[in-house]
Amino acid sequence: KQEVTQIPAALSVPEGENLVLNCSFTDSAIYNLQWFRQDPGKGLTSLLLIQSSQREQTSGRLNASLDKSSGRSTLYIAASQPGDSATYLCAVIDGGSQGNLIFGKGTKLSVKP
Amino acid sequence: DTGVSQDPRHKITKRGQNVTFRCDPISEHNRLYWYRQTLGQGPEFLTYFQNEAQLEKSRLLSDRFSAERPKGSFSTLEIQRTEQGDSAMYLCASSSIDRERVLEQFFGPGTRLTVL
Repeated sequence: KQEVTQIPAALSVPEGENLVLNCSFTDSAIYNLQWFRQDPGKGLTSLLLIQSSQREQTSGRLNASLDKSSGRSTLYIAASQPGDSATYLCAVIDGGSQGNLIFGKGTKLSVKP
Repeated sequence: DTGVSQDPRHKITKRGQNVTFRCDPISEHNRLYWYRQTLGQGPEFLTYFQNEAQLEKSRLLSDRFSAERPKGSFSTLEIQRTEQGDSAMYLCASSSIDRERVLEQFFGPGTRLTVL
């Protein structure tokens, strides 16, 4: 059974710092991996999607990498800003199902001005 | 493209009542998903449709839960005889099965259910 773990559960950094969020999954046979942002009481905003054949994706100050063989992904945020404060969720679609996302519990990020 | 919409945004009900939520996906998307999220947890999968066919259901979807997508457009999720444990955020997402088969999912704002 696929399980997704995110470390750390919470992170507080000063504004301007570069940071890395980690995601690991137990079964490397994934179809794709998606990173989301969730503000308190809100829905999820898709940040980046990495297909199983890809190694990384970039969007603005965000860069996500994928190492399928080791079951890991990282989300790198450059020059963090207070507006980046949110919970970041990692999710995978199993290669077998090609259907639903399996989520980690998220990393709650706080960027202090 | 107006995004995924959900209605209502908040619902407060008494234990034992029935509730129904609606989800309107992105118009060209043929897949629609329902998830449930409790405080401090990631969303958990409930069920998904491809067009009007319900292709997969989670064991979380007990007999009190039913979902429909009658014309392959909007979907409804009904919970009968609500229990306090049903209190959660109910999230809807949609994606497109296309030639590239990317399957990126886009989420709505959610419906927050509180069962008293």
